[in-house]
This record gives sequence, structure tokens and C-alpha cells, in this order.
Amino acid sequence: AQRVTQPEKLLSVFKGAPVELKCNYSYSGSPELFWYVQYSRQRLQLLLRHISRESIKGFTADLNKGETSFHLKKPFAQEEDSAMYYCALSRNTGKLIFGQGTTLQVKP
Amino acid sequence: DTEVTQTPKHLVMGMTNKKSLKCEQHMGHRAMYWYKQKAKKPPELMFVYSYEKLSINESVPSRFSPECPNSSLLNLHLHALQPEDSALYLCASSQEWTSGVHEQYFGPGTRLTVT
Repeated sequence: AQRVTQPEKLLSVFKGAPVELKCNYSYSGSPELFWYVQYSRQRLQLLLRHISRESIKGFTADLNKGETSFHLKKPFAQEEDSAMYYCALSRNTGKLIFGQGTTLQVKP
Repeated sequence: DTEVTQTPKHLVMGMTNKKSLKCEQHMGHRAMYWYKQKAKKPPELMFVYSYEKLSINESVPSRFSPECPNSSLLNLHLHALQPEDSALYLCASSQEWTSGVHEQYFGPGTRLTVT
């Protein structure tokens, strides 16, 4: 069965500290993986997708097929990064499977 | 225009009311989606439309009735809802997936309260 696991409900770090939000998946085919972010009182928006290999707002994520992981990383957290982060896996039916989400709290 | 818009922003309805949620996009996307999101939880897929035809119904109760009148509009008709249906209802759109996997663009949501 296809599943996305985000083991941490809450990740709290100080400003300037490195951040790693974990995401593991189970999928029998070739996965298409995304990170979506939901800032307070804003709409859910795409942060990263694995095939683009971009760095957005200083965040990067690498697909590790051996470990079935797609962890989100940023070397130096900023207060404005505080938000809910969802890892999601897309099937070729249009269906997005979301993880349970991790709240990132960046303290000053 | 790269936004998905949803109306109304907030809706309070009684269990015997009939109401509709509306979603609109002008990005030329041919896939549109309804999600339900409870507080601090991920969005749960309800319905998917592809080229104005219902493609996926995730076993949603019949008190929720989707409609896609054209390629830019998506409605969700509500009737005889229960208090547990109170949630944020999100609409999303994307390019159709037979050409590859594409990003979904989300609307701001309608906050629904059933009394």
C-alpha cells in the first residue's frame, strides 16, 4: 500500500540552526514526491518537488530510493520558516497521498 | 491568473440546510479536486474531476455532491450535513496527469461550520 510517514509532529529549533524534516514513503512504482507548506492563515502551497531538484527558500530535498526517504533540509532556519510541512506522494491517477505533517517552530 | 479562488470564505449552516461551495481557476487546468481538512491534519481527498468528468470518489457520503459545470468551475453541493462535517474544504487544480505528474494548486478554502 502507498503510504507517507512523517515521524515528527513537532520540530522546534532556534533561529540559525539546521533543520531536517523527515519523510519516508512506501510505493511500489517510481514515486513522484513533493513537499507542501502551509503558513499560518495562508493556503497550502508547493515548496519542492523531487524531479525539479531546485532549492526554494533555502530548502532542499533529495530522493533516496534505497532508504525510501525524501527528507527536507535547510542549513540555517529562519523565523519565517515556521509553518506546517506536508510530504506528499503522487500516483499517476492524480491522487496525492499526504503524510500527517510536521509543525516547524523556529524560535528567536 | 495563477490562483484558485473559493467562495464563500466562511459558511455556517444548519443540518437541514442546502448550500454550495464554489471553486474557480483560469489556469487552463483540466483536473480539479475537492479535499476536506480538519485542524492540524493533512487534507483528505474527496473527489477528483478530469476533463469535467468524475474520476475519483473516495467513498464520500451522498450528502456531498460534486459538480463540474465547465473546465474552470467546480462546485460542491451540501445537504443534510452533520456537525462532524465541519472542516476546511479545499479545492485544487492541476494539469491532467496523463501527461505526467503535475503540481496541484490549492485554493484558500471554505471554513464550514455545521450547527
